[in-house]
Amino acid sequence: LAKTTQPISMDSYEGQEVNITCSHNNIATNDYITWYQQFPSQGPRFIIQGYKTKVTNEVASLFIPADRKSSTLSLPRVSLSDTAVYYCLVEGPNQGGKLIFGQGTELSVKP
Amino acid sequence: DARVTQTPRDKVTEMGQEVTMRCQPILGHNTVFWYRQTMMQGLELLAYFRNRAPLDDSGMPKDRFSAEMPDATLATLKIQPSEPRDSAVYFCASGLVSGTSYNYGYTFGSGTRLTVV
Repeated sequence: LAKTTQPISMDSYEGQEVNITCSHNNIATNDYITWYQQFPSQGPRFIIQGYKTKVTNEVASLFIPADRKSSTLSLPRVSLSDTAVYYCLVEGPNQGGKLIFGQGTELSVKP
Repeated sequence: DARVTQTPRDKVTEMGQEVTMRCQPILGHNTVFWYRQTMMQGLELLAYFRNRAPLDDSGMPKDRFSAEMPDATLATLKIQPSEPRDSAVYFCASGLVSGTSYNYGYTFGSGTRLTVV
């Protein structure tokens, strides 16, 4: 199974852009990268998913380099409500269809 | 928005009692996961189903836990007998997987907070 590594915690201020990088060195050809967000007392929420290059939606952007051994979640102009834990996952048939969560990155946004 | 419904929201029970948690996946979704979350262990995958068939329950303590999908609209997780160390938040998630294509994300329920005293 592909293992992901991301920073345990990050601090930011309102209005800043936040980039959270995840490494997944043993990602397989058919795997793709997914990010989830979790607020206290809630279940994780799907944010964004990608295979390569760049994906953007109304919430975030996901940058994946050509070797796909890492990915970066970019949150533009964060607000206090973006304070949450962010999880990077590798999904796909090579993972047995499982959705395995690592420790995540606890993002704290300060005023 | 469609949502995954979990019941009960909170459950306090005495050690040794049976606990049943229920999950109603989103209509049309064919994949269901059960997770347990604690501060110490984070999100642990307990079991998952595809088209109601159990695909993996290796994360589940077999002697006391069981997971089933009696029909496409209901998934259950049972603990018998319950122990204090089972105290955690249990999440259910559902999604649609078609072949090897993207699933476009899973939707999680709000969880069942279980306290075993």
